[in-house]
Amino acid sequence: GAVVSQHPSWVICKSGTSVKIECRSLDFQATTMFWYRQFPKQSLMLMATSNEGSKATYEQGVEKDKFLINHASLTLSTLTVTSAHPEDSSFYICSARGGATGGSGYGYTFGSGTRLTVV
Amino acid sequence: SQQGEEDPQALSIQEGENATMNCSYKTSINNLQWYRQNSGRGLVHLILIRSNEREKHSGRLRVTLDTSKKSSSLLITASRAADTASYFCATPLGGSTLGRLYFGRGTQLTVWP
Repeated sequence: GAVVSQHPSWVICKSGTSVKIECRSLDFQATTMFWYRQFPKQSLMLMATSNEGSKATYEQGVEKDKFLINHASLTLSTLTVTSAHPEDSSFYICSARGGATGGSGYGYTFGSGTRLTVV
Repeated sequence: SQQGEEDPQALSIQEGENATMNCSYKTSINNLQWYRQNSGRGLVHLILIRSNEREKHSGRLRVTLDTSKKSSSLLITASRAADTASYFCATPLGGSTLGRLYFGRGTQLTVWP
C-alpha cells in the first residue's frame, strides 16, 4: 500500500532555532500535501495545503512566515518551524494526496507524525 | 473542531463489548472517513462511506451515515484491548471528493482486558 515517510519522528530543539520536518511519498506521486498540528488529547487542526510547485495555502490564523512549507517535488514536502518557541511544541502530521484515487486508493495517506518539543 | 463534534469524547469498555462512537458534521459532504490513531502515532484509515451510502461494513467495523441529520456512527463489535486508540471522523471540505480534510474532536476508546 501507499506509504508516506515522515522524519524525524521526534525532535527537541532550543527556543529560537528552526526545525525542518520532511514527508516523502515512497511509492506514489503526491500532488498535494496537507500539514496538520495536534495538541495532546485534541483533534488534528489543518495548518496548510501545499501543491507541488506552487505556494502553500494556509488556514486562517496560521502564520505563514513561521511555518514555511516547501513542496518542490511530487514526492517531498517539508515544513520548517522557524524561530521555534515552547508554544510551538506539538505533534505535526503530514498527509499526502495523489491523483484521483490517491496513493492508498481512498485519497489520503498519513505520515507517522513528528513530536516537536521546544525547550 | 474545524468540522464537527464527536461523542463521547471518551469511552471505556470491557473486552468483548461493543463500542459506538458518533460524529456530527456541519456542511454538506461527498464522503466521510473514519480514522484510528494510537497514542503518539499517525493516522490509520479505517473506512470511507460516501454520501449516497447509508451503511458500510469492514470486518468488525460498521459505519452508518445519516445525511439528513449530518451524523455518522462507528460501531466496533466484540472489542479487544488492541482497539484502544483515538478514533476520528473526517470529511473533505465543502462537499468535495478529495479536498482539504477536516477532523472531528475524536473519541478516546479504552478497552479493558
